[in-house]
Amino acid sequence: EVQLVESGGGLVQPGGSLRLSCAASGITFSSYGMSWVRQAPGKGLEWVSNIISSGTRINYADSVKGRFTISRDNSKNTLYLQLNSLRADDTAIYYCARSLNGAFDLWGQGTMVTVSS
Amino acid sequence: EIVLTQSPGTLSLSPGERATLSCRASQSVSSGYLAWYQQKPGQAPRLLIYGASSRATGIPDRISGSGSGTDFTLTISRLEPEDFAVYYCQQYGSSFIFTFGPGTKVDIK
Repeated sequence: EVQLVESGGGLVQPGGSLRLSCAASGITFSSYGMSWVRQAPGKGLEWVSNIISSGTRINYADSVKGRFTISRDNSKNTLYLQLNSLRADDTAIYYCARSLNGAFDLWGQGTMVTVSS
Repeated sequence: EIVLTQSPGTLSLSPGERATLSCRASQSVSSGYLAWYQQKPGQAPRLLIYGASSRATGIPDRISGSGSGTDFTLTISRLEPEDFAVYYCQQYGSSFIFTFGPGTKVDIK
């Protein structure tokens, strides 16, 4: 079955860290760029970061630059997002998504990150 | 950075009516890298249109996209009950940055 499954979300205090994972199955993971997209409660979609298939080019939204790190392990078909220096406004559902032709054609179900004391 | 503006914010229509959603970019969107998504409550977004006018796999032909440059439109020719949702446009720019519009909610009149 073609799917992306995120994990690693949870409750963390401001200033804390979390590592999200996205396991891919049913696709040739190493052939695709991948992104993280988040959605704060009741709000719209916000692109967070993208990594190309080889992992050699990475981009971040200004809102997370210097605090979040995207990476991938093509041997494990897994995408990661390291979240450091977390703030209350990072509270959101974090989705991983496959990027193809400038669009996101496959999405996971999301993992919730809550930053609160 | 390209900013996307969507209008209207909310569209109240009845099943069977035509829905026309607008997405305007602050600068020209390169190579037609403009996509549309549908999102229902509690669900992940679903890709509808990519490349401004190409339907994604499994998307019915009552849903269509058009436009170029800075002005894009998503049209649903006859609203079905399952079409009531929030719709987002998204662009991919030359600086390898993605941005989303704020969304248009299509609700039942």
